[in-house]
Amino acid sequence: DTEVTQTPKHLVMGMTNKKSLKCEQHMGHRAMYWYKQKAKKPPELMFVYSYEKLSINESVPSRFSPECPNSSLLNLHLHALQPEDSALYLCASSQARQGAYEQYFGPGTRLTVT
Amino acid sequence: GENVEQHPSTLSVQEGDSAVIKCTYSDSASNYFPWYKQELGKRPQLIIDIRSNVGEKKDQRIAVTLNKTAKHFSLHITETQPEDSAVYFCAARDGGYQKVTFGTGTKLQVIP
Repeated sequence: DTEVTQTPKHLVMGMTNKKSLKCEQHMGHRAMYWYKQKAKKPPELMFVYSYEKLSINESVPSRFSPECPNSSLLNLHLHALQPEDSALYLCASSQARQGAYEQYFGPGTRLTVT
Repeated sequence: GENVEQHPSTLSVQEGDSAVIKCTYSDSASNYFPWYKQELGKRPQLIIDIRSNVGEKKDQRIAVTLNKTAKHFSLHITETQPEDSAVYFCAARDGGYQKVTFGTGTKLQVIP
């Protein structure tokens, strides 16, 4: 299995809602990433987990809360989002060892905040 | 932090011609340089990558060159086809961490 899956594909939420995005991979990768991508822009790194521990937080607002419950799963919990948070949220995974850098992206969740 | 610049932002070529996209990076510690192709509404797909200890890499119609001294790298696509039309992103990975910084993207249009 060489695929990263993400659910849901689309999500519409109000500013007072709480929702979660889910990412899963079964490639044995121990590094997982969340990116945010606005239209016509490159992906921007949000968080990196390495061996289920948060290793990078790119100063992301606390209304985004990541979680890595096990080596195959990555969640992004959303609360009190703003309309400007509407974007494509991409998950990616890679091996965590030195020299194994290739990242594999999931199809993304398109989030709309109303 | 790392800064990656990418040019041009748009590129139109006739089918069969070559396309070249150029990127520069700022952090001399960066050691891995992937290129991604992203079609509209789809995920970024890795098409080729190069590590800092290699100067050139080729895979069929796609090649990447790296000049570490000048801190720039380029993507070359030969014999372009309409299905090559997409947005292409270069990226650089820092040497000590797992952070990948993307360039601003190049929208390639191959005209049949």
